[in-house]
Amino acid sequence: GESVGLHLPTLSVQEGDNSIINCAYSNSASDYFIWYKQESGKGPQFIIDIRSNMDKRQGQRVTVLLNKTVKHLSLQIAATQPGDSAVYFCADRSPGSARQLTFGSGTQLTVLP
Amino acid sequence: DGGITQSPKYLFRKEGQNVTLSCEQNLNHDAMYWYRQDPGQGLRLIYYSQIVNDFQKGDIAEGYSVSREKKESFPLTVTSAQKNPTAFYLCASRYAGGLDTEAFFGQGTRLTVV
Repeated sequence: GESVGLHLPTLSVQEGDNSIINCAYSNSASDYFIWYKQESGKGPQFIIDIRSNMDKRQGQRVTVLLNKTVKHLSLQIAATQPGDSAVYFCADRSPGSARQLTFGSGTQLTVLP
Repeated sequence: DGGITQSPKYLFRKEGQNVTLSCEQNLNHDAMYWYRQDPGQGLRLIYYSQIVNDFQKGDIAEGYSVSREKKESFPLTVTSAQKNPTAFYLCASRYAGGLDTEAFFGQGTRLTVV
């Protein structure tokens, strides 16, 4: 079946550096994508979303890039801070789906001092 | 403050017992969802509901049951038929009127079988 997955399970970056978290999705019909951040023992928090008619969207210190040709999504975090340490999930939704978002397994981001 | 509340935060269940996890939202969202998360894993859909008095099975519904008698509430019962219930359970809600809206999550319930 269709699934959303992540390339790397863990990522360590130095404080102040930029982070790039990647995600591959397999459903070419997916038209909406979201990045969530989950801190240990807590529920996921919305970071940023992007629709399939866009290839880039920026938020505060975060940028999401969408490459529909290769079905790839990335989250860029500028000037990574210790508070950014968490698991990051990408999720996608297929058009016409009354269901929900399909989540990948997540990437653990660790910010090193 | 508007939000989605799950209770309890921690729950212990004996073998053969049914337990019910609470999920309440005051966001006036139509759609509500239950997910299961195992260590190092993503979120897997158990059940979802788009409207009061209606709900649908997700990918791993066996051993679980839900009800949606009120818009604000979507309790999940983990029955004795669920053979491996120890997990982190997340409830979410979403405004279903818009085409593209994110889901808001509760803080989760960690269920442990003892």
